[in-house]
Amino acid sequence: SQQGEEDPQALSIQEGENATMNCSYKTSINNLQWYRQNSGRGLVHLILIRSNEREKHSGRLRVTLDTSKKSSSLLITASRAADTASYFCATEPNSGTYKYIFGTGTRLKVLA
Amino acid sequence: DTGVSQNPRHKITKRGQNVTFRCDPISEHNRLYWYRQTLGQGPEFLTYFQNEAQLEKSRLLSDRFSAERPKGSFSTLEIQRTEQGDSAMYLCASTLGVGDEKLFFGSGTQLSVL
Repeated sequence: SQQGEEDPQALSIQEGENATMNCSYKTSINNLQWYRQNSGRGLVHLILIRSNEREKHSGRLRVTLDTSKKSSSLLITASRAADTASYFCATEPNSGTYKYIFGTGTRLKVLA
Repeated sequence: DTGVSQNPRHKITKRGQNVTFRCDPISEHNRLYWYRQTLGQGPEFLTYFQNEAQLEKSRLLSDRFSAERPKGSFSTLEIQRTEQGDSAMYLCASTLGVGDEKLFFGSGTQLSVL
């Protein structure tokens, strides 16, 4: 079963535009992470935000977390063709277990 | 150590055969995870280890699936009596654990059951 649901499922934008994708989850969490996956490859960690944080930045990435709404958003600014990939959120439930539950993903296509 | 290594990269097998995959995590990582991913879906949790102890196994995992991590180093995932529904990418990931929870993934093993 998957805890997170990403929205939108697919997104197509022009190079230079910003891309925003959202993640909603079901249970209380310790932290939330975002990962990128290029076609047919393993996932690469992008950024982690803890439950007591509201916003984090890393280069062109900005992540927000709203624990009251059980949601997070990932903003990629000034997108590039190389950002074309699938993006997944992963949550660590606050239940004494260390398993990470992934969402369904957003497929981003950046057109040159 | 350059990262998490998975072998083989691809496996084609006939229905009913047994298959075994191997994962070599980053050497100092205590936790090791197995996920399964089908096309267009996110990774689905299968099981994880803290050192050599298997701490959790997904309820979705049938008795045909077994994983081991002897001596807390590499891990193997075995699927017995494979079915066509087992066709998927099997991903392994490792992490240091508390204080540094980011997962490092291998490139996966693509299983095709004919």
